[in-house]
Amino acid sequence: GENVEQHPSTLSVQEGDSAVIKCTYSDSASNYFPWYKQELGKRPQLIIDIRSNVGEKKDQRIAVTLNKTAKHFSLHITETQPEDSAVYFCEGGNKLVFGAGTILRVKS
Amino acid sequence: SAVISQKPSRDICQRGTSLTIQCQVDSQVTMMFWYRQQPGQSLTLIATANQGSEATYESGFVIDKFPISRPNLTFSTLTVSNMSPEDSSIYLCSVTSGPDTQYFGPGTRLTVL
Repeated sequence: GENVEQHPSTLSVQEGDSAVIKCTYSDSASNYFPWYKQELGKRPQLIIDIRSNVGEKKDQRIAVTLNKTAKHFSLHITETQPEDSAVYFCEGGNKLVFGAGTILRVKS
Repeated sequence: SAVISQKPSRDICQRGTSLTIQCQVDSQVTMMFWYRQQPGQSLTLIATANQGSEATYESGFVIDKFPISRPNLTFSTLTVSNMSPEDSSIYLCSVTSGPDTQYFGPGTRLTVL
């Protein structure tokens, strides 16, 4: 089945810095790659997604890049703010398999 | 996006008992799923709830332990049977809207004593 690896498991950044989280997947047929943000005690919410026909997608301070050859995709958050602190999960290629999660802490 | 509600939001149960969790969506959806999220962990798919037929279970999950009903396109239930403390977790339902995008319910926090 699909295997999804997510790194790092925790990430601490200063407010205003950038944060990058990476996921690798195993199924080359995968074609949909979403990222979810889960705040403490809340449900996971989709923040950005990308399909395999594009290499990058941006929405204000967040972006996702996809490298289909290397089978990895990354979440980029620029100008981080304290409210970005949360757990972020990738989902690998419409297989309903989630990465282990990354705890992002933005220090002010 | 779909609006999803779950009941109960939390419960504390005794071992050996069963709990049924309800998931209600405000619109008809084809795909509904049930996940488990253990404390500090990621989401693990339990099963796909199929309308009009038996649920499709993932490896490690069986119908006797997690029976699922899906009587129509807006509602599903998950029962956690013969509970033990290891079943303490958050259980979430989700639906897909559009081809792939998932939306999650608020979750049910279950504690088994």
